[in-house]
Amino acid sequence: KQEVTQIPAALSVPEGENLVLNCSFTDSAIYNLQWFRQDPGKGLTSLLLIQSSQREQTSGRLNASLDKSSGRSTLYIAASQPGDSATYLCAVSLGNQFYFGTGTSLTVIP
Amino acid sequence: NAGVTQTPKFQVLKTGQSMTLQCAQDMNHEYMSWYRQDPGMGLRLIHYSVGAGITDQGEVPNGYNVSRSTTEDFPLRLLSAAPSQTSVYFCASSYGEGATANTGELFFGEGSRLTVL
Repeated sequence: KQEVTQIPAALSVPEGENLVLNCSFTDSAIYNLQWFRQDPGKGLTSLLLIQSSQREQTSGRLNASLDKSSGRSTLYIAASQPGDSATYLCAVSLGNQFYFGTGTSLTVIP
Repeated sequence: NAGVTQTPKFQVLKTGQSMTLQCAQDMNHEYMSWYRQDPGMGLRLIHYSVGAGITDQGEVPNGYNVSRSTTEDFPLRLLSAAPSQTSVYFCASSYGEGATANTGELFFGEGSRLTVL
């Protein structure tokens, strides 16, 4: 069974700081990896999708990388803002299922 | 563009009652799935479907039934509600075909918060 781990579970940073969130997975035969954002009481919003043949994807201040061979992905957030405060989850697609990490809760302090 | 729509958003049931959580998507996605999200447990897959007429069990299927009569709809039925089924339920869909129906981007509904007394 695919295991997905996100470290750290919680992170608090001052506004303006650059930060990195980590995601690791055990089975490298994935179709894709996706990063989501979840605000309290809300659904999951897709941030970035990286196909297995890709190394990275960028959207605005967000950059996600994928290293299939080592089973790792990182989400880089540049110049963090208080509005970035949320829980960030990664998910990998394998077989007919998506496997989720338990998320990193990010707080950006003004 | 509505995306993935879930109803109801909130529901309170008594133990033993049955109900159906509705999920509809207008993106012509073949892959649809139901998850429950509990504190400290993350998202756990209940059931999924790779196309109309095809469903399969996920990690935590007991106490739940699904059917997929159309591409658009994927209802989740609770047969006899138990307090352990108190959770937030999410429906999600993805583009893909056949065996690789989950190779595309996954889109989520807003969730249905269920409380079983």
